[in-house]
Amino acid sequence: GESVGLHLPTLSVQEGDNSIINCAYSNSASDYFIWYKQESGKGPQFIIDIRSNMDKRQGQRVTVLLNKTVKHLSLQIAATQPGDSAVYFCAEKHNNAGNMLTFGGGTRLMVKP
Amino acid sequence: NAGVTQTPKFRVLKTGQSMTLLCAQDMNHEYMYWYRQDPGMGLRLIHYSVGEGTTAKGEVPDGYNVSRLKKQNFLLGLESAAPSQTSVYFCASNYRGALGAYNEQFFGPGTRLTVL
Repeated sequence: GESVGLHLPTLSVQEGDNSIINCAYSNSASDYFIWYKQESGKGPQFIIDIRSNMDKRQGQRVTVLLNKTVKHLSLQIAATQPGDSAVYFCAEKHNNAGNMLTFGGGTRLMVKP
Repeated sequence: NAGVTQTPKFRVLKTGQSMTLLCAQDMNHEYMYWYRQDPGMGLRLIHYSVGEGTTAKGEVPDGYNVSRLKKQNFLLGLESAAPSQTSVYFCASNYRGALGAYNEQFFGPGTRLTVL
């Protein structure tokens, strides 16, 4: 597959440990924040989103935390598995027509067996 | 459902050549997008469309044109390719949904374009 993010920050975790991926956003007017997962050679895949009036949302093995005071978003993955190895992007949705997203730079998660 | 498909998967162009990338979706989505992704960076929006016959500029529209003649197709054109347009191009689509709601964008597998 293509090289997605040759110079991405990398998080390396042991299989079974919890992972925390962080993201800083810029637009206080964004009304949704979203996490995407991108495996090598594939398009991004939706993981979870959170509305701006919430500070926590849980999914299956994933939790997203939103701190609007410091404009910070995090994705927590419980019991990280080898299949979680990928590049993770946060994105913010503009509060306008068109559902436009602005993506962050991404973090590469490597899971060691 | 095939979801979002893109053709071609790979293409090599010489500077100055033109080409069209095709995106197709079979989910009856109103909104469609074209992004580019460069190494070390997230996706950047080139152009988007909120419905058949309408298009709008995104963050990095220069050097590209688009057309949405049919609801299921969104074409991205490069009239005169430049090395700076070497990138991986992704198409995405989603339902319009309620105003203010977020509706998941579904992405295609990407097109790797190299301009020599």
